[in-house]
Amino acid sequence: SQTIHQWPATLVQPVGSPLSLECTVEGTSNPNLYWYRQAAGRGLQLLFYSVGIGQISSEVPQNLSASRPQDRQFILSSKKLLLSDSGFYLCAWVGQGKETQYFGPGTRLLVL
Amino acid sequence: EDQVTQSPEALRLQEGESSSLNCSYTVSGLRGLFWYRQDPGKGPEFLFTLYSAGEEKEKERLKATLTKKESFLHITAPKPEDSATYLCAVGDLSSGSARQLTFGSGTQLTVLP
Repeated sequence: SQTIHQWPATLVQPVGSPLSLECTVEGTSNPNLYWYRQAAGRGLQLLFYSVGIGQISSEVPQNLSASRPQDRQFILSSKKLLLSDSGFYLCAWVGQGKETQYFGPGTRLLVL
Repeated sequence: EDQVTQSPEALRLQEGESSSLNCSYTVSGLRGLFWYRQDPGKGPEFLFTLYSAGEEKEKERLKATLTKKESFLHITAPKPEDSATYLCAVGDLSSGSARQLTFGSGTQLTVLP
């Protein structure tokens, strides 16, 4: 069966510090991968998606970036965090030829 | 541009009091409509995918239905453990291999014992 992992679960970082969030998927090959951000009480905003290794598409301009160094690994990064980067970050995957996205447990990021 | 609107924003029910959540959508070509359940501090949990008008799917006390403009999530005789935020999302055929989803803001359901 397929499993998706995200870490860390919670992160508190000062403004201006770097960020690296990691997402890995097990039990599938060549999935599409997605990074979302969810503000408190609101829906999901798509940040980045990837249809293959090294292929990244950005949905919104921001100081965040994403990379996919391996087939089942998706990383969200920032060189300098802003207060507005605080939120709940979710990674999701969808299998090749499938339609349903499955989500990871999320990372709660608080920028102080 | 695809749009998804969920109503109501919040719903409080007594245990056993059946009700429905609404998801209205506009999309150029529907790839699929998706329902998720999200508990506080956790990632969304997949419930249903509907592909065409008239389709229905059931799981325990939940039943999802789809028309050309909206979807309903019917909750029959809810229990306190059904309390969660329910998210609706649509996929557009125009997204191609990217298969992005557009999400609504969710309905926060509270079932009181």
